[in-house]
Amino acid sequence: AQTVTQSQPEMSVQEAETVTLSCTYDTSENNYYLFWYKQPPSRQMILVIRQEAYKQQNATENRFSVNFQKAAKSFSLKISDSQLGDTAMYFCAFIAMNRDDKIIFGKGTRLHILP
Amino acid sequence: DTGVSQNPRHKITKRGQNVTFRCDPISEHNRLYWYRQTLGQGPEFLTYFQNEAQLEKSRLLSDRFSAERPKGSFSTLEIQRTEQGDSAMYLCASSPRDRNEQFFGPGTRLTVL
Repeated sequence: AQTVTQSQPEMSVQEAETVTLSCTYDTSENNYYLFWYKQPPSRQMILVIRQEAYKQQNATENRFSVNFQKAAKSFSLKISDSQLGDTAMYFCAFIAMNRDDKIIFGKGTRLHILP
Repeated sequence: DTGVSQNPRHKITKRGQNVTFRCDPISEHNRLYWYRQTLGQGPEFLTYFQNEAQLEKSRLLSDRFSAERPKGSFSTLEIQRTEQGDSAMYLCASSPRDRNEQFFGPGTRLTVL
């Protein structure tokens, strides 16, 4: 069975700083996707960034980038130049390709950006 | 297209009552998912549909829960004889045919008194 572990329940950083959220996962699958989802307070979940396991290049989306280490089964999210609007719960998530379609989520990291 | 919508956004009910939630996916998304999220946890998979066929159900989905997607468009999730442990956010997501990315709705927050 797949598992996703986020070891940081809560983090706080000052606005404009860089922050890294950790995620590890366990799977016997070789083909899969990894995601970071953002859930702002009382708002819906949105996709921040995705990574295909077969791609060696780390995904980037503007201020968001990942460090994907497939052998170590590690998938961290780096937020550069953090903004107040980045305050949210962040969920690391996994989905296997071509087997079943359910997403496995971690327990989340609550990120506070301080003014 | 305004994304995945869910109704109602909030539901308060008494223990033992039945409740029904509705999810309207993004049009032309053939896959639809239901998740449950309790406080301080990530969403947990409940069930999913490909078009009108329900293809997988989690063990979390007891026999008091039933989900339908009769015409392959909107879906309903019904909980019979609600219990206090059913209190949670119920999230719906949809996914297009050719991508694994799931788009989430705002959720229905259920409180069972």
